[in-house]
Amino acid sequence: SAVISQKPSRDICQRGTSLTIQCQVDSQVTMMFWYRQQPGQSLTLIATANQGSEATYESGFVIDKFPISRPNLTFSTLTVSNMSPEDSSIYLCSVPLPGLAGLYEQYFGPGTRLTVT
Amino acid sequence: ELKVEQNPLFLSMQEGKNYTIYCNYSTTSDRLYWYRQDPGKSLESLFVLLSNGAVKQEGRLMASLDTKARLSTLHITAAVHDLSATYFCAAPFNRDNYGQNFVFGPGTRLSVLP
Repeated sequence: SAVISQKPSRDICQRGTSLTIQCQVDSQVTMMFWYRQQPGQSLTLIATANQGSEATYESGFVIDKFPISRPNLTFSTLTVSNMSPEDSSIYLCSVPLPGLAGLYEQYFGPGTRLTVT
Repeated sequence: ELKVEQNPLFLSMQEGKNYTIYCNYSTTSDRLYWYRQDPGKSLESLFVLLSNGAVKQEGRLMASLDTKARLSTLHITAAVHDLSATYFCAAPFNRDNYGQNFVFGPGTRLSVLP
């Protein structure tokens, strides 16, 4: 497994502002994923971030609201733009890493707990 | 579109009892994942089930997969308080080696009472 870190671990922000969340992995990975977990809910995939190409967004998520950068194979950022209270969630990055039998498993970062007031 | 369902969504059980959490998914998938999440924490991988009939056990937890029925179960034996957490099952949407685009179930919030 790899060590995945996220910054900040939590933040309280005012509506209308933006927050950039960082995800750092201690090994090189092709794909990184960003998930949102709203309070008491399950995880929803926001986008897939590949190094050297535009991120691929899932239905309901747009680049203007959640711009993503992927400057190298160990790092990615997710920005939550023009925040509203509905953006209050835990944001998690994840990476696929080799597991058993040559198949990949998803490993998750510790998450960023965002509260928008 | 792949959908993943779990039941029950909430489970309160006494220590020492047994119970099963069910995970159904809507389209063919040859693998299934179980995760645990403690309050305010990230997800911890519990099991990766890779084929039909797969059964894995770790301590008081045992997971199985029936790909024909599109059903996975997580069985809890003689529950203890430390097992209190939310348990998620997840199926990969794309059937490539990366297992990308996971679809998660809604989670089962388990409380084990003394």
